[in-house]
Amino acid sequence: EAQVTQNPRYLITVTGKKLTVTCSQNMNHEYMSWYRQDPGLGLRQIYYSMNVEVTDKGDVPEGYKVSRKEKRNFPLILESPSPNQTSLYFCASSLIGPTNTGELFFGEGSRLTVL
Amino acid sequence: TQLLEQSPQFLSIQEGENLTVYCNSSSVFSSLQWYRQEPGEGPVLLVTVVTGGEVKKLKRLTFQFGDARKDSSLHITAAQPGDTGLYLCAFRDSGGYQKVTFGTGTKLQVIP
Repeated sequence: EAQVTQNPRYLITVTGKKLTVTCSQNMNHEYMSWYRQDPGLGLRQIYYSMNVEVTDKGDVPEGYKVSRKEKRNFPLILESPSPNQTSLYFCASSLIGPTNTGELFFGEGSRLTVL
Repeated sequence: TQLLEQSPQFLSIQEGENLTVYCNSSSVFSSLQWYRQEPGEGPVLLVTVVTGGEVKKLKRLTFQFGDARKDSSLHITAAQPGDTGLYLCAFRDSGGYQKVTFGTGTKLQVIP
């Protein structure tokens, strides 16, 4: 089954404790991206990647890191989480190129609470 | 950063009513997408519109792309409880599918 898998789905942590949210897709998509979703602010892009070893900042990259060492994986790293990073996080992937719709496939989300 | 404004922000209607949701920007889009997100899940693509003035139908949902490609609307006929969810418009950068920007969303509740 084609899917984007995120882990963990739920996490409560404390300020300053490094954490990683994993994302894996089995569709051989070149493009992967992380979003955070907050009430009234919609989905805001954190980082995206066009392919292996190619990453770029989205609209709200501060406090986050990513890596793309393999095509299927795109982990989101919070080196020193702070309470303002409490949010619902989504990973998404898609094909790229002019011959497709650019449909984004989303994971089920990871709800992170930083105390 | 291009901003996408959606209206209304919230909508609560009775089953069987019609409704329209709007997505607007001051900039021109190369294409625009509509997604629906149900509670506890990620957004799912409903449609992509590319040509100014384009109209696409998906069962009871009608999507329109403005002639000037700065706005779009989603019209639902005879809404059903299964239509409940968050409706998001989104656009991709025309220069290589790099960034996808989402609107703030319209939260729709259809009451049986």
